[in-house]
Amino acid sequence: DGGITQSPKYLFRKEGQNVTLSCEQNLNHDAMYWYRQDPGQGLRLIYYSQIVNDFQKGDIAEGYSVSREKKESFPLTVTSAQKNPTAFYLCASSIPGLRVFDEQFFGPGTRLTVL
Amino acid sequence: GQNIDQPTEMTATEGAIVQINCTYQTSGFNGLFWYQQHAGEAPTFLSYNVLDGLEEKGRFSSFLSRSKGYSYLLLKELQMKDSASYLCAGMDSNYQLIWGAGTKLIIKP
Repeated sequence: DGGITQSPKYLFRKEGQNVTLSCEQNLNHDAMYWYRQDPGQGLRLIYYSQIVNDFQKGDIAEGYSVSREKKESFPLTVTSAQKNPTAFYLCASSIPGLRVFDEQFFGPGTRLTVL
Repeated sequence: GQNIDQPTEMTATEGAIVQINCTYQTSGFNGLFWYQQHAGEAPTFLSYNVLDGLEEKGRFSSFLSRSKGYSYLLLKELQMKDSASYLCAGMDSNYQLIWGAGTKLIIKP
């Protein structure tokens, strides 16, 4: 079955440690996205990538980094510079060629808790 | 600035009809999306409107008025499994999605 996987589902880290969240898709989608979801707020875009080896900052990129070395993979690193990293992180992908109707498919999410 | 407004929480009865409203302000407009998200799970796509009017898809319908910057999601014959958050998102001129905070829908027997 095609889809997006994120691992792990729950992640605990100590303050000051970098942590990398995994996102893999086998939908053959060119575009991939990372969102952060906090209680009472809408999804906020961290980074997105329209094509391999290229990515752009979203609205809240500070304290995060990404790479896009393969079409299938878009890992997100939460660095120690991120002031409030505890959140639910969602990865998504889409087919950017259909520019007007750009449905995004989401992974199950990773809930990161920094202790 | 860009903004999406929707009610925080709504309650409805099983078998009834509920309408979830959404108002939007985006820089340019390339459509309005509705997603469903069960607690702790991924959002899943429900509907997309780019032209004015009503789009019906089974028990769910979505309406758009571009002149009013307004959309609603209509859920009919409510079932307990419809208890979830419903996210409204507008697509701006850069094809980026601007998300609302979501409306938590509680269904009571």
